[in-house]
Amino acid sequence: QVQLVESGGGVVQPGTSLRLSCAATGFTFSNYGMHWVRQAPGKGLEWVAVISYDGSNKHYVDSVKGRFTMSRDNSKNTLYLQMNSLRTDDTAVYYCAKDLGWLLLRRVFDIWGQGTMVTVSS
Amino acid sequence: DIQMTQSPSSLSASVGDRVTITCRASESISNYLNWYQQRPGKAPKLLIYSASTLQSGVPSRFSGSGSGTDFTLTISSLQREDSATYFCQHSYTTPRVTFGQGTKLEIK
Repeated sequence: QVQLVESGGGVVQPGTSLRLSCAATGFTFSNYGMHWVRQAPGKGLEWVAVISYDGSNKHYVDSVKGRFTMSRDNSKNTLYLQMNSLRTDDTAVYYCAKDLGWLLLRRVFDIWGQGTMVTVSS
Repeated sequence: DIQMTQSPSSLSASVGDRVTITCRASESISNYLNWYQQRPGKAPKLLIYSASTLQSGVPSRFSGSGSGTDFTLTISSLQREDSATYFCQHSYTTPRVTFGQGTKLEIK
């Protein structure tokens, strides 16, 4: 069964760090690009970051550039999002999502995790 | 960045109705348009990609059309389980993609 399971969310203070993980099962993780998408409470969806299948290319939305780092460990079928210098406007449910394209990014999200909540508050 | 605008923001319809949701891009995106369904408290689910290709396992009452800047998602015969928020998303430019603001569909 194709599945993504996020973990690592929690309540943190502004300026601190958090690392999210996303464990993938049921597909050949190393053949697909992966994304993080977030959703602030009661709001719409915002794409956050993407990483290519081999980790060689990464891109971020402007609001997290220099603060968030996306990585992957294909030997562990796991995706990561290191979030530093967190701000209150980073508060959201963070979803990892699989790209539809095999070896090539199509920027279509065909499998989503259940999400993990990150709350940044003093 | 390309802006995506959905209309209406919300609507209410009855079981069996035909429902249409519109998504407009701020510039031409060819057919790089995708639709997602999000039920309350759940993760989004891919319904349609490349404007009109139905994702595997999605009921055939869902269909998509359009190209360029104007796109539609149609539910041919509304079912109670279709109560959800629907988002469009463009995948035209590398690397950033953007979503529409969402359309909340309520069943009367």
